[in-house]
Amino acid sequence: GEDVEQSLFLSVREGDSSVINCTYTDSSSTYLYWYKQEPGAGLQLLTYIFSNMDMKQDQRLTVLLNKKDKHLSLRIADTQTGDSAIYFCADPNTGGFKTIFGAGTRLFVKA
Amino acid sequence: DVKVTQSSRYLVKRTGEKVFLECVQDMDHENMFWYRQDPGLGLRLIYFSYDVKMKEKGDIPEGYSVSREKKERFSLILESASTNQTSMYLCASSKGSGNTGELFFGEGSRLTVL
Repeated sequence: GEDVEQSLFLSVREGDSSVINCTYTDSSSTYLYWYKQEPGAGLQLLTYIFSNMDMKQDQRLTVLLNKKDKHLSLRIADTQTGDSAIYFCADPNTGGFKTIFGAGTRLFVKA
Repeated sequence: DVKVTQSSRYLVKRTGEKVFLECVQDMDHENMFWYRQDPGLGLRLIYFSYDVKMKEKGDIPEGYSVSREKKERFSLILESASTNQTSMYLCASSKGSGNTGELFFGEGSRLTVL
């Protein structure tokens, strides 16, 4: 079946760039999403990329999509302590009714 | 500000008790979902509903039921709670028409079953 995989932990120093990687087995979805979950809270949509794009930039966030390798990444420039959270990549399979989430990458930012 | 509200943030129940988790959204969304979140497993879909009184099983429906009597409200029911249902439960909603697949989440309900 379809699957989305991500590494579970990433630790960076404040001011460095963070790169969170995700691989998926197959996607016919129009979008691929990144959600952010802050401690004690639900998930919020952070950013997304159209499946016909290679890259999307949104302030400190850069999303890269390599459809050939089925690889999605999220880069956070100048990482701050407030970026400490769990980041989920998600494939909104079948219009979001059966969204496939990765296990989530917990980002630790050291001051 | 649009919102999905889960009435209970933290619950502690005993094995065998009946548990109700309530979720209300104010966005007039057609679709509502219940997920379970466990460390290292991500989010797993329990049930979803695409209309009032309609429900569909997700990936892990066993031990759970749901109710959607009104468009804005979706309830998750554990008929007889067990310790392996200790988890974080997340409710979400999404649009019907014009749906991009984006989900709007509540803050979560952390359930501990003793």
